[in-house]
Amino acid sequence: QQQVKQSPQSLIVQKGGISIINCAYENTAFDYFPWYQQFPGKGPALLIAIRPDVSEKKEGRFTISFNKSAKQFSLHIMDSQPGDSATYFCAAAGQGGKLIFGQGTELSVKP
Amino acid sequence: EPEVTQTPSHQVTQMGQEVILRCVPISNHLYFYWYRQILGQKVEFLVSFYNNEISEKSEIFDDQFSVERPDGSNFTLKIRSTKLEDSAMYFCASSADPGGDEKLFFGSGTQLSVL
Repeated sequence: QQQVKQSPQSLIVQKGGISIINCAYENTAFDYFPWYQQFPGKGPALLIAIRPDVSEKKEGRFTISFNKSAKQFSLHIMDSQPGDSATYFCAAAGQGGKLIFGQGTELSVKP
Repeated sequence: EPEVTQTPSHQVTQMGQEVILRCVPISNHLYFYWYRQILGQKVEFLVSFYNNEISEKSEIFDDQFSVERPDGSNFTLKIRSTKLEDSAMYFCASSADPGGDEKLFFGSGTQLSVL
């Protein structure tokens, strides 16, 4: 019940395309859903986050779509760029800030 | 932007040895965490720490692990007798208020290699 399932494991997108990464959770007590971006040799960096009272949040080229009834959320990266190539992790948290991470998606954006 | 600082960046140790991983959280933060990431796997929660005590720990965080905030600025993770399977990247994180919209800031990690 504490798991967060993420797909796909890897993704190759052409420059300018849309990257879509999906996550699903089980625990209805989760109330905070962040996405992290990780470059090799670095720690995860918060990209964008959403709470379950909204269905969508957009920040620049990054959008989270949230479906509370389906217990799913997704990250959309519009106009993907080679600099977006990284590993992306979804996560979920309840009170106290303990993050449960998904398995990660390795995104490669081809020029 | 403020940073969480971790030292050392790499640590190599022999199985059975004790290691201490060090972290300097962001100065006004009150909530501290350790996570680890085994190569190619997801980031896993180890422990959270608030008000000078552990607030939550995972099943990974057994008796071989301990955390301490020895001097009001550093936050350390000690592994008493390292095992091969402790080899991983260890991340420290801190937050001002994780229950609100304050995000967790992660350090760059310490790569621990147990031989």
